[in-house]
Order: sequence, then C-alpha cells, then structure tokens
Amino acid sequence: GAGVSQSPSNKVTEKGKDVELRCDPISGHTALYWYRQSLGQGLEFLIYFQGNSAPDKSGLPSDRFSAERTGGSVSTLTIQRTQQEDSAVYLCASSLENTIYFGEGSWLTVV
Amino acid sequence: GNSVTQMEGPVTLSEEAFLTINCTYTATGYPSLFWYVQYPGEGLQLLLKATKADDKGSNKGFEATYRKETTSFHLEKGSVQVSDSAVYFCALWGGYNKLIFGAGTRLAVHP
Repeated sequence: GAGVSQSPSNKVTEKGKDVELRCDPISGHTALYWYRQSLGQGLEFLIYFQGNSAPDKSGLPSDRFSAERTGGSVSTLTIQRTQQEDSAVYLCASSLENTIYFGEGSWLTVV
Repeated sequence: GNSVTQMEGPVTLSEEAFLTINCTYTATGYPSLFWYVQYPGEGLQLLLKATKADDKGSNKGFEATYRKETTSFHLEKGSVQVSDSAVYFCALWGGYNKLIFGAGTRLAVHP
C-alpha cells in the first residue's frame, strides 16, 4: 500500500492477557520502528529493525514486550501479561533513508 | 546525548494569527530536523524537514529554518486556520537508529 498500515486500529483487552499488534511498512523501506505514545505524553522509542541486522531493542520497557520482523517486511509487537500502564497508542514507522513515515497507530486499552 | 526541547502548550490563537512554535535541540554532528503534526484521533504526519544548516523546510504554509548557530528549528505560519489545530512535534535524526522527539505542542485555533 501507499503508507504504513497497522492493525488492529483499536484493541481493548483484559489485564493479564497477551496482545499482538501488526505493522505493514511501506514497500521497499528497509527500516522499521515501533514507538509508544501514552496519554498526554510524548513519543517513546521502543525498537528498531534495519534489514537483516540485529534489532535495537534498547527502548523496550520490560521483558513482557517483544517484537519480530519476518522476511524483512511485516512486524509484530507482542505484549505479554498486559498491565493497565501499557494502555497507549503504539505507532509503527518505516523509512528508506532518514525520513520516517508513521502509521495511524494501534490504540490499546487495558482494562 | 541528543535531545529536543519544545515550547510548552497549549498555544491558543485566533484564526489568521501568526504562529511560532519554538524548538531547540542538542546534538553532536549535523542532525536532520523534522516537524510532525498529529491531528485529533490520527497518527503522526510528516509536515516538513531540513537536512542541513540554513535549509528551510516548508509545507502547507508552514516553514522552519535550520539554524545551527542557535541550534533551533522554530515552526512558523503566517496565518493559521481552525483546521491547523493539532499537536506539533519537533524531532531530530542524529543517527543511532532513532528519531528523537520533543514533548509536543498543542495548538488550538479559534474562529
């Protein structure tokens, strides 16, 4: 597609459940990012993938968070045993050089 | 380390007023600088960018000039519209696999 596509756009889950968020980057973009935006706060870097290199996981807040990128394209962010503080918008982005394009985000609410 | 500082909001203006949102940065080397906009309920959209000193990025009537001597990238628009109401994020790309964002500035434009 023309832009970064994320699904689901909205997800409500019970505390303790696992969730998976999906990202389809712009075709041909080699770099993929996940950011988190909590209510009323700024953007927090989570993880970065570039080609076949080992991902930069330095922003993941805990070991309940993990992400993978299959075939250098689609990425899945997994949050295990969700907590209420995980409620946020999870933004995926991709880039070819140094300009990053964002998806619409997945709005996660943990109840 | 790299960082971005934006003026705190909210900024409240009447339609057709002049807008300035201040952004300063700290970075080693020569980062690229960006403004992103987030309209209510939507994801981040790239508004404009500048990749080297004295470059001026512009889009949709918005402008920002990369000032290395003052380490600034202030966003300006000569005449705002109600439809410009959004949150504006200044960001820098200095390498290290991530875009560093400011905290965001909320703009509210009233008719």
